[in-house]
Amino acid sequence: EAQVTQNPRYLITVTGKKLTVTCSQNMNHEYMSWYRQDPGLGLRQIYYSMNVEVTDKGDVPEGYKVSRKEKRNFPLILESPSPNQTSLYFCASSLSWRRVTEAFFGQGTRLTVV
Amino acid sequence: DAKTTQPTSMDCAEGRAANLPCNHSTISGNEYVYWYRQIHSQGPQYIIHGLKNNETNEMASLIITEDRKSSTLILPHATLRDTAVYYCIVRPQGGSEKLVFGKGTKLTVNP
Repeated sequence: EAQVTQNPRYLITVTGKKLTVTCSQNMNHEYMSWYRQDPGLGLRQIYYSMNVEVTDKGDVPEGYKVSRKEKRNFPLILESPSPNQTSLYFCASSLSWRRVTEAFFGQGTRLTVV
Repeated sequence: DAKTTQPTSMDCAEGRAANLPCNHSTISGNEYVYWYRQIHSQGPQYIIHGLKNNETNEMASLIITEDRKSSTLILPHATLRDTAVYYCIVRPQGGSEKLVFGKGTKLTVNP
């Protein structure tokens, strides 16, 4: 089954403790991205990757890192999480950036930073 | 991308058709209308898209007015599982590399 898998689904952590949210897709998609969703602000893009070893900042990259060492995986790293990074996070993938309208989204990771 | 306007919320009875409107009066000739939905806290899901002709798939129908300034997403027989936020997006095919969702319409299907 074609899917984007995020882990964990729920995470509560403390300020400053490094964490990684994993994202994996099984569709051989070139394009992957991370969004965060906050009430009243909609979905905002954090980082995206056009292909392996090619990543770029989205609209709200501060406090986040990503890597794309292999095509299927696109982890989101919070080196020193802060409470303002409490949010619902989604990973998405598509065949290419031109096909982003056909993106598959993961089930989401609800992160709480206390 | 053209701006869209959708009602904040709508209700529908289970088994009836749900008609969700979207206004996009500034749409350009090369822009498509896309619809997505987001069931509570899950990832957004693509539903359907169209340019100017009406479209139908296994999930829904999309009716676009002749002047293309508005469209309606139709769920022909709404079920409780169709309760979700529905987003209408207007953008050129192959436009920017990110999806920008507005506030959408919260559809509640009632038993």
